[in-house]
Amino acid sequence: EPEVTQTPSHQVTQMGQEVILRCVPISNHLYFYWYRQILGQKVEFLVSFYNNEISEKSEIFDDQFSVERPDGSNFTLKIRSTKLEDSAMYFCASSVGPGLAGNYEQYFGPGTRLTVT
Amino acid sequence: AQTVTQSQPEMSVQEAETVTLSCTYDTSESDYYLFWYKQPPSRQMILVIRQEAYKQQNATENRFSVNFQKAAKSFSLKISDSQLGDAAMYFCAYDGGATNKLIFGTGTLLAVQP
Repeated sequence: EPEVTQTPSHQVTQMGQEVILRCVPISNHLYFYWYRQILGQKVEFLVSFYNNEISEKSEIFDDQFSVERPDGSNFTLKIRSTKLEDSAMYFCASSVGPGLAGNYEQYFGPGTRLTVT
Repeated sequence: AQTVTQSQPEMSVQEAETVTLSCTYDTSESDYYLFWYKQPPSRQMILVIRQEAYKQQNATENRFSVNFQKAAKSFSLKISDSQLGDAAMYFCAYDGGATNKLIFGTGTLLAVQP
């Protein structure tokens, strides 16, 4: 069964450093998402991406964040200058279509645990 | 704005028994999807079941079923014949379609006692 993959599984970085989290969505999916879960808290939406541009972003997704689909398979989340409060599990997800367009379902990757020291 | 509320931070059930996890939501939309996701200690997010709001019939997936009450904006998950592997955090989630994002509740941690 096809699945979303994410690398690395765990990333440790120092405050102020840039990190890039990588995701490979399911191959025929067109919509891509990033979510964040701070330890012990709920999962929060960061950004959705379609047709090489951001569809929607939350208030969390400020100027230090960016997303990119650099090639036909990868989808990346870049955090330019990490802060301690960026420590969280970051989930990538993908779906065939948006919202109410038929057989909609978001498939999640296993997550990348980001630790900022 | 849409919100999702899970009022039970923790629940416990005996193996082979039935447990119901509660979820309420608030929305002004008439068409949307609701989901239950399971998050085991590995923290992987696994879709358990989904419900389309325009369908009156409650969704069922093997031992998992929902009680969807649209007027009451309630979406509970029933787990029958609970198994040790069901122990996990369960998140209720809403998708209004127009916004193209999932809105999650705070989760319910389910323990299964042998």
